[in-house]
Amino acid sequence: QVQLVESGGGVVQPGGSLRLSCAASGFTFSSYGMHWVRQAPGKGLEWVAFIRYDGSNKYYADSVKGRFTISRDNSKNTLYLQMNSLRAEDTTVYYCAKDVRAALPARFDYWGQGTLVTVSS
Amino acid sequence: AIQLTQSPSSLSASVGDRVTITCRASQGISSALAWYQQKPGKAPKLLIYDASSLESGVPSRFSGSGSGTDFTLTISSLQPEDFATYYCQQFNSFLPFGQGTRLEIK
Repeated sequence: QVQLVESGGGVVQPGGSLRLSCAASGFTFSSYGMHWVRQAPGKGLEWVAFIRYDGSNKYYADSVKGRFTISRDNSKNTLYLQMNSLRAEDTTVYYCAKDVRAALPARFDYWGQGTLVTVSS
Repeated sequence: AIQLTQSPSSLSASVGDRVTITCRASQGISSALAWYQQKPGKAPKLLIYDASSLESGVPSRFSGSGSGTDFTLTISSLQPEDFATYYCQQFNSFLPFGQGTRLEIK
C-alpha cells in the first residue's frame, strides 16, 4: 500500500533553516509528481510546492517563493523541502502528498501523516 | 489567480440529514475540481475528483456535481463518521484550496 512518511520537523529560530523529508513506498515514486502542503493549527490547507516526476519543473506558492526549495531523489524514493529564512508564520504542519499525474499538478490521492514545524525564538 | 470560495463556512446537521456544500470558482475551471474530507489531527482524504467522479472506496452517499464556476458536494444521508471539514480544490491556478466547510453535529 502507498505510504508517505514525513520527517525533519522541529523547533527552529526565526531566520533559521530546516529540511523536511518524505519517504515514499508502495508505488513507483519516479512516475508521479509530488507536493508539499501545509496547515497551520486550526486553519485551512495551503499548498506550498510541486515537483514533477523527474524533478525538471518546480512550482511554488508566492508565500514561500525564494525561501523554500522542493527537490526529490528518485533513487531513494524521497521528497525534500529545504526551508530557509523561516518566519513565525511558517509554523504549521507540513504534509507531503502524491499527485495522480506526473508532469503537472492535478489533485492529491495520498498524503503523509504530517510533520510539525515550529518557528519560535 | 483563480480563487475558490466555499459556502457555508460551517454547518450543523443531524445524522440522516442531506447536506450540500457549495464551491464557487472566480473563473471557469471546466470540471477540474476535487473534494476532500479532513478529520481532526488527520491528513485530508480524496472523496471526489473531476467534479463528479467518486474516488475508489468512498461511500456512495457522497456525490459531486457542477462545472465551470459552480460546484456542489452532497452527502445524501449523514453518518456519524462524516462530521469533519471539507475542502474543494483545483489546480488551474496555484491557490488550489477553498477555505473549508466545517460540518458539525447538531
